[in-house]
Amino acid sequence: AQKVTQAQTEISVVEKEDVTLDCVYETRDTTYYLFWYKQPPSGELVFLIRRNSFDEQNEISGRYSWNFQKSTSSFNFTITASQVVDSAVYFCALSEAMTEEGAQKLVFGQGTRLTINP
Amino acid sequence: KAGVTQTPRYLIKTRGQQVTLSCSPISGHRSVSWYQQTPGQGLQFLFEYFSETQRNKGNFPGRFSGRQFSNSRSEMNVSTLELGDSALYLCASSLDKSYGYTFGSGTRLTVV
Repeated sequence: AQKVTQAQTEISVVEKEDVTLDCVYETRDTTYYLFWYKQPPSGELVFLIRRNSFDEQNEISGRYSWNFQKSTSSFNFTITASQVVDSAVYFCALSEAMTEEGAQKLVFGQGTRLTINP
Repeated sequence: KAGVTQTPRYLIKTRGQQVTLSCSPISGHRSVSWYQQTPGQGLQFLFEYFSETQRNKGNFPGRFSGRQFSNSRSEMNVSTLELGDSALYLCASSLDKSYGYTFGSGTRLTVV
């Protein structure tokens, strides 16, 4: 069975600090996809990144970066120079092989509540 | 470009009643999924539809059902509501595998 673990329930840092959110996953599939979503207080899940199991390149998008390591089944997310607007709940998710139209099912971690204090 | 629209945003129902939630996907998206979010269980997959066919279903009782119309709009229904059904229900649609799923703002259901 697929499982995603986000061991950090809550993280609180001061603005401009760097922060890393951990994500560890379990799957027996050889082809799978990993996601990060952000959930602000409004409730909507905002897509941040998708990574497939064959692409272990790290990715950087502005202040956001992701480190995917198959050897440790981890897909960690780092925010550099955090800002108050980054405060939200962040979810890591895993899906089995996608159909042409997208993932059929996402398995989510429990989420990490990130608070950035001014 | 309009996002995923869920209606209503908030709903209060009494135990034993039934409820129907609506989801309009982004234009052109044919895959629609539903998720339940609660503080205790987190985000859990309910079901996924594509071209009016349910392709996948989560581990929920038969009181939870859904359907998708020819225009890709989807509805989910919960019958005989229980207090534990109180949750944020999120709908998501997908264009293709390059984008993953786009989520709506959800319907917050409170059962009293």
